[in-house]
Order: sequence, then C-alpha cells, then structure tokens
Amino acid sequence: ELKVEQNPLFLSMQEGKNYTIYCNYSTTSDRLYWYRQDPGKSLESLFVLLSNGAVKQEGRLMASLDTKARLSTLHITAAVHDLSATYFCAVKGGTSYGKLTFGQGTILTVHP
Amino acid sequence: EPEVTQTPSHQVTQMGQEVILRCVPISNHLYFYWYRQILGQKVEFLVSFYNNEISEKSEIFDDQFSVERPDGSNFTLKIRSTKLEDSAMYFCASDDRGLTYEQYFGPGTRLTVT
Repeated sequence: ELKVEQNPLFLSMQEGKNYTIYCNYSTTSDRLYWYRQDPGKSLESLFVLLSNGAVKQEGRLMASLDTKARLSTLHITAAVHDLSATYFCAVKGGTSYGKLTFGQGTILTVHP
Repeated sequence: EPEVTQTPSHQVTQMGQEVILRCVPISNHLYFYWYRQILGQKVEFLVSFYNNEISEKSEIFDDQFSVERPDGSNFTLKIRSTKLEDSAMYFCASDDRGLTYEQYFGPGTRLTVT
C-alpha cells in the first residue's frame, strides 16, 4: 500500500526566509503532484513532476523529484505572507489508474 | 479557463438520509474522481470512474456509496444512508490523461450530517 508522508506538518516562517517541505513516498510512482489549499477552499495545482530529476519553478516555489530516493521537495524562497496556506503532495502509484494518495499536508504560516 | 463545478456548495442532512452530490467535469475529460477531506485532515481518495464504470475504489467507498454519470455532463456521488462520520468536504476531480496528467479539482461540497 502506498504511503505518503510530509514533513514538517506545521511550518512557521518569517517573511524573507527560505525553507523546504519534504514529501516521502513508499512505493514506485510515475507522477507526483503539489497542491495548495487555502482555508475552506479547493485544491490548486502547483506542480506535476513526471520523471526523476524533474525540477519546476513558479515564483518563489520550486519543486523537485528524486524517484530513486522516493522523495520530493518543495522549496520556498524569500517567503511572503501570501504563501500562507496548506501544501499537499500527492502521489499516483505506478499500478493505479489515476488514484492520488495524499500526504498529511504542511500548514505554512508566514509572519511579517 | 475550463473548470470543474460542483453543486451544492453546502448540504446539511439528517443521519440516515440519502444525499446526491453533483459534479460537472471539464468537458473533454474522460476520467473522473471523488475525494473527501474530513475537517483538518488529509484528502482521501474514494473512487475513480472511466467509460461508465468504476476503475478503482477505496475501502471507504462501501455499499453506501455509488457513482453515476447520468448524462454527458454530470457525474454524481450518492450516499444512501448518511452517517455522522460522512461529514466532510467532497471534491470531484477530472483529468484527460494528456501529457501533464493534471487532475483538476472542483470547489467542493461541504456535507454536514446531523
């Protein structure tokens, strides 16, 4: 059974600082997703990572994938308050039709 | 930009009642999903649907749950006899299995069972 674990689960950052969220998964996967969720809202797609070594960047967020280590990272550069949200990674298992298995989520709070 | 829509946005029902949650996936998508999120917890997969049949389902998706595509646009999730623990946000998603394999999520239906 595919398990997905994120850490940290809670992250309190100062504006301007850098930090990384980690996502580990337990079995072979062919796709990894990062989503953002604001309170009471739906899931906004940030990145889809398809292959080993994939790196994608959008603004202050950069995601990478290491399929050998079964690890993805979401790096936040020079955090700003608007990045405060919950971030989920989600993994499609190699034998799945499309089912995504989500991590627990990381609640990010950026303070002035 | 095309989007997944869901109705209603909030449904309150009494325990034991049947509810139907409705979704309109993106029009050229062929793969549809339901997920749920209990307040403060992670998102959990319920079921996937393709070519008018279930592709995969989770342990949560027991005999109380069913899905249907009654016409060319709607995709529904029915819960036959709701329990208190069914209270959650239910998200519909769809994808086209194109190069990006993105799954696009709808805004969700908050189901409250009293």
